[in-house]
Amino acid sequence: DIQMTQSPSSVSASVGDRVTITCRAGQGISSWLAWYQQKPGKAPELLIYDASTLQSGVSSRFSGSVSGTDFTLTISSLQPEDFATYYCQQGNSFPLTFGGGTKVEIK
Amino acid sequence: EVQLVESGGGLVQPGGSLRLSCAASGFTFSSDWMHWVRQAPGKGLVWVSRIDTDGSGTTYADSVEGRFTISRDNANSMLYLQMNSLRAEDTAVYFCVRDRPGPHFYIDVWGKGTTVTVSS
Repeated sequence: DIQMTQSPSSVSASVGDRVTITCRAGQGISSWLAWYQQKPGKAPELLIYDASTLQSGVSSRFSGSVSGTDFTLTISSLQPEDFATYYCQQGNSFPLTFGGGTKVEIK
Repeated sequence: EVQLVESGGGLVQPGGSLRLSCAASGFTFSSDWMHWVRQAPGKGLVWVSRIDTDGSGTTYADSVEGRFTISRDNANSMLYLQMNSLRAEDTAVYFCVRDRPGPHFYIDVWGKGTTVTVSS
């Protein structure tokens, strides 16, 4: 199984801040990674796939990048509706595996 | 509107069985792979199982292999998860999800989830 290690597990930030979340794959997965946002009591929503492709309808303040086996989700200017938990997921092979999640909290 | 609606969750004793159902609408169900993903209370997301378009190919997480069976009814746009020999650690919200069309495996549509509680 491909282990996905996400960091940090939580981050406190203010509206307008730039926030960066990292996900490291335990082995090479090329660019086959997705990011999801989950708000309390709700199902997750797809933000980015193929490491850097924005899902239709998602704000352009979200962006993704990859360097080797390290993947990054960046929120350029945090908005009130962005306070949530974010998960990465490798889409390379089964079993599909998710990172442990990063909770973005209000500072 | 693309929609997935799960049902069938509930309280079951250890060793018992449940069958989850998922009604799909708003898209061509028979064209898409489908999965089940679960989330234990206060925990992260865990992939459970997948099924291909005609049901001939299935894959399971090691933790449920041999106990859970995924199936589908394309005529009625329904996805199922038969869960046997349930354990306390199977307690979770179970999400029915659609595999995003393409060569890699991402989830672009999620149901709201159905809660399974395994407890005596």
